[in-house]
Amino acid sequence: SQQGEEDPQALSIQEGENATMNCSYKTSINNLQWYRQNSGRGLVHLILIRSNEREKHSGRLRVTLDTSKKSSSLLITASRAADTASYFCATDPRGAQKLVFGQGTRLTINP
Amino acid sequence: DADVTQTPRNRITKTGKRIMLECSQTKGHDRMYWYRQDPGLGLRLIYYSFDVKDINKGEISDGYSVSRQAQAKFSLSLESAIPNQTALYFCATDSGDRPATGANVLTFGAGSRLTVL
Repeated sequence: SQQGEEDPQALSIQEGENATMNCSYKTSINNLQWYRQNSGRGLVHLILIRSNEREKHSGRLRVTLDTSKKSSSLLITASRAADTASYFCATDPRGAQKLVFGQGTRLTINP
Repeated sequence: DADVTQTPRNRITKTGKRIMLECSQTKGHDRMYWYRQDPGLGLRLIYYSFDVKDINKGEISDGYSVSRQAQAKFSLSLESAIPNQTALYFCATDSGDRPATGANVLTFGAGSRLTVL
């Protein structure tokens, strides 16, 4: 069964707008990661947030983590057409030694 | 060259045929994984290996087998392919540097698209 549930499943916005994707999970974690996948390609690691962190930034990406609600969000600011991709959260559950992926959010940026 | 190389990239085969997907990595990582991706289902773990002598089943190992021939090579086999094994397969590696980083950041191959008719 999937650890992560992502919301929304699909998101379509205009270029320049901000895109927010959410991820909820079920068990205690060491960290939570976000990956990006361009159509039919391999996943690429974007950002990692540890369980003792609440917010992290990397360029136009901002990730938040609320361990009390077991949820995370990924914000992409000032979106570009090139941001069109699927985005996956992956949790590193305590004691599991392997990542568990969510189902992904398909993001479309319209020019 | 890519850090994680998968072959073949695309394969069409018939029901009942034996298929092997190969993965090699140049990152020197001990840990290797095989995932399967189906539309709307995200990635599901098939098998994983933490070193050459270690093989572990993931959540959907039935119908699959693996071989860790060397630290750099991890192959996935479908002994008798069936149509519902049509999917995109990914190999991934990580350093397993858990004590230092507490993280399993994965490096993925480009994927092998398998179609079973």
